[in-house]
Amino acid sequence: QQQVKQSPQSLIVQKGGISIINCAYENTAFDYFPWYQQFPGKGPALLIAIRPDVSEKKEGRFTISFNKSAKQFSLHIMDSQPGDSATYFCAAKAQGGSEKLVFGKGTKLTVNP
Amino acid sequence: KAGVTQTPRYLIKTRGQQVTLSCSPISGHRSVSWYQQTPGQGLQFLFEYFSETQRNKGNFPGRFSGRQFSNSRSEMNVSTLELGDSALYLCASSLSTLGYEQYFGPGTRLTVT
Repeated sequence: QQQVKQSPQSLIVQKGGISIINCAYENTAFDYFPWYQQFPGKGPALLIAIRPDVSEKKEGRFTISFNKSAKQFSLHIMDSQPGDSATYFCAAKAQGGSEKLVFGKGTKLTVNP
Repeated sequence: KAGVTQTPRYLIKTRGQQVTLSCSPISGHRSVSWYQQTPGQGLQFLFEYFSETQRNKGNFPGRFSGRQFSNSRSEMNVSTLELGDSALYLCASSLSTLGYEQYFGPGTRLTVT
């Protein structure tokens, strides 16, 4: 049972363009939604995160949009750069005492120069 | 502040052997979680420790076990290794407060032959 569905699987964007990655979840107990960036040979790095009480969060070129009623959230990367080429994972954590994250399958982003 | 460290970084074992992986969390972090990352299954939660107690466990066989020490360092053990255990094993630490942020180490690449 995949609790967090991520799309697309891969994405190619030109330098300066906007990259958009979407995620949908099923479990209404989720109350924390982080995005991670992973380069080959490295561990995932926390990029940005949001909680359901806000609809949007922006940090630099990275923005999370959150739609609680649709149970969807997305990552927007503005002015995409070749250095942004990596695999991006959305995740979700349920409220309660556990730190367990449920991850999407990942999106491999390639930004062409 | 130093990040999450994992040792060893690479490991090659044969089927039937057992292996122990180590994780040192960020100083002050009391929660440690372990994840298995494979191309087919993505990032899957193994278990989580807080104050030396296992707080949550994923859907993995009993061959996978772990523990946490009083200094918050954690180890995971896999006994009777199978070819399918080949994966990147990631450790993540957090303060385990309302902050929620989890930070990953670089992982241990385990190859079972």
